[in-house]
Amino acid sequence: SQTIHQWPATLVQPVGSPLSLECTVEGTSNPNLYWYRQAAGRGLQLLFYSIGIDQISSEVPQNLSASRPQDRQFILSSKKLLLSDSGFYLCAWSMRTDTQYFGPGTRLTVL
Amino acid sequence: ILNVEQSPQSLHVQEGDSTNFTCSFPSSNFYALHWYRWETAKSPEALFVMTLNGDEKKKGRISATLNTKEGYSYLYIKGSQPEDSATYLCALGIGDKLIFGTGTRLQVFP
Repeated sequence: SQTIHQWPATLVQPVGSPLSLECTVEGTSNPNLYWYRQAAGRGLQLLFYSIGIDQISSEVPQNLSASRPQDRQFILSSKKLLLSDSGFYLCAWSMRTDTQYFGPGTRLTVL
Repeated sequence: ILNVEQSPQSLHVQEGDSTNFTCSFPSSNFYALHWYRWETAKSPEALFVMTLNGDEKKKGRISATLNTKEGYSYLYIKGSQPEDSATYLCALGIGDKLIFGTGTRLQVFP
């Protein structure tokens, strides 16, 4: 069966510090991978999605970037965090246009 | 920009009450409509995927209907239980992506 892992679970970072969140999927090959953010009081916003290694689409202009160095690894990064980057970050996978399955999430607080 | 809207934003019901909420979406170029349940401290969990106008899906006490011509889906919960308390999200499937609504937060009181 397929499982999706995200870490860390929680993170508190100062403004201006770098960020790296990691997501890995087991039990499937060549999945679509997604990064979402839920900011306080708002819905799930798609940040990035990837249909293959080194193939990343960015949905909204922002302070973040994503990379997919391996088939089942998706990384969300920032060089300098802003206060507005605080939120709950979710990684998800799917097989093309099928249902998406979500990881446990990372709560990021930028102070 | 595609807009997926859900109403109401939040709902408080007593145990045993039946309830329903709405997801509205643009009816042109429809592909799929997804419903998810998101419990506190857990990941969103897929409930249903519907693709055809008139589709009805059921899972225990929860069911959903789809009207692609007028651009809405209803989610029904029969005989709500405290464990049904969660945020219910709908999402419009567009190719490889999902566009989520802001959710309906349901709280069921014993």
